[in-house]
Amino acid sequence: AQTVTQSQPEMSVQEAETVTLSCTYDTSENNYYLFWYKQPPSRQMILVIRQEAYKQQNATENRFSVNFQKAAKSFSLKISDSQLGDTAMYFCAFDGSGNQFYFGTGTSLTVIP
Amino acid sequence: GAGVSQSPSNKVTEKGKDVELRCDPISGHTALYWYRQSLGQGLEFLIYFQGNSAPDKSGLPSDRFSAERTGGSVSTLTIQRTQQEDSAVYLCASSPILHQPQHFGDGTRLSIL
Repeated sequence: AQTVTQSQPEMSVQEAETVTLSCTYDTSENNYYLFWYKQPPSRQMILVIRQEAYKQQNATENRFSVNFQKAAKSFSLKISDSQLGDTAMYFCAFDGSGNQFYFGTGTSLTVIP
Repeated sequence: GAGVSQSPSNKVTEKGKDVELRCDPISGHTALYWYRQSLGQGLEFLIYFQGNSAPDKSGLPSDRFSAERTGGSVSTLTIQRTQQEDSAVYLCASSPILHQPQHFGDGTRLSIL
């Protein structure tokens, strides 16, 4: 079965600094999709960034970028120029060819003014 | 347009009662997903629908849980004979098709007394 591991339950970063959240996963599949979602204190989950496994190029979305290492099954999220609004729980998610979807346990990020 | 709508937003009920949770996805989204989020935990995948069909129900925690989707739109998650361990936030999400980013509702916070 697929698993997604986020080894950092909590992290903090100073405003304007850069922070990297780690995610590893386990799968025997070759084609799949990886996501980072953000859940602010208001509770609604929103997409941060998406990566297709067949693409070698790392996905980038403004201040958010990923370091996708397929062989190592690693999918870390880098947030540059951190802002107070980035304070949230961040979830890494795996979407493969099966009929189930896997989320990690999340990393609680606090941006310190 | 409107996002994913879930109702009720909060539900408190006594142990042993049945509850029905509703999800209204974004119009035109063919894929619909249900998750359970317990305090301090990640998201536990329950079931997904492609159209009105749920290919795999093995993610449902027990046979007290059931879900249906009609008309390719609204979905209901029913929990029969509720137990205290069913207390959680139940999240619904939808996406245009499978493997696309999921759009989440605000969730239903279920409390079993």
